[in-house]
Amino acid sequence: DAKTTQPPSMDCAEGRAANLPCNHSTISGNEYVYWYRQIHSQGPQYIIHGLKNNETNEMASLIITEDRKSSTLILPHATLRDTAVYYCIVKGTGNQFYFGTGTSLTVIP
Amino acid sequence: ETGVTQTPRHLVMGMTNKKSLKCEQHLGHNAMYWYKQSAKKPLELMFVYNFKEQTENNSVPSRFSPECPNSSHLFLHLHTLQPEDSALYLCASSPDTSGGYNEQFFGPGTRLTVL
Repeated sequence: DAKTTQPPSMDCAEGRAANLPCNHSTISGNEYVYWYRQIHSQGPQYIIHGLKNNETNEMASLIITEDRKSSTLILPHATLRDTAVYYCIVKGTGNQFYFGTGTSLTVIP
Repeated sequence: ETGVTQTPRHLVMGMTNKKSLKCEQHLGHNAMYWYKQSAKKPLELMFVYNFKEQTENNSVPSRFSPECPNSSHLFLHLHTLQPEDSALYLCASSPDTSGGYNEQFFGPGTRLTVL
């Protein structure tokens, strides 16, 4: 069952920051928030994950609210190659990553 | 690029054929997964192997038969498939299946078309 809610689609101008929201109001204390993306017909690609604190890596930043009920993935300078479906996933100790339908991000020149 | 390779990348088969999909990971992981992604649908987990033992089968029809001879290799044997089985089949691996943090690395997928 889906544990996250994401907007179905978003647009972002090339070079601007893309902010992708995710609601996970039923998240429990030991569950991590993961973000993956899938470029058309390719395998999903790991972006970032977090538990409580904000995280940053070479691809993106993850901002998790203090109550952990929502998060935002930030792509600081979106490029055309960032056009993809972005999945926000909450996962605990089970095997399965439930990908849901994600947010289709289109970066516009 | 992810350390998980899949062959073939594309496969067309008839309903009476028998074929196999292969997945190999070079990451030293102990868990491997098969997912199915039909057109415009979310990924569906099919099978999970942990240390070569199958730990999960998500009610997958018997015409799909997985095999995990060692922790680096995973196969999906296909026989008497139906056209609705046409999809992107994705393999993934992770260090194991325990714990809260367990990132999965995905292969590029095999695009299967059943005629």
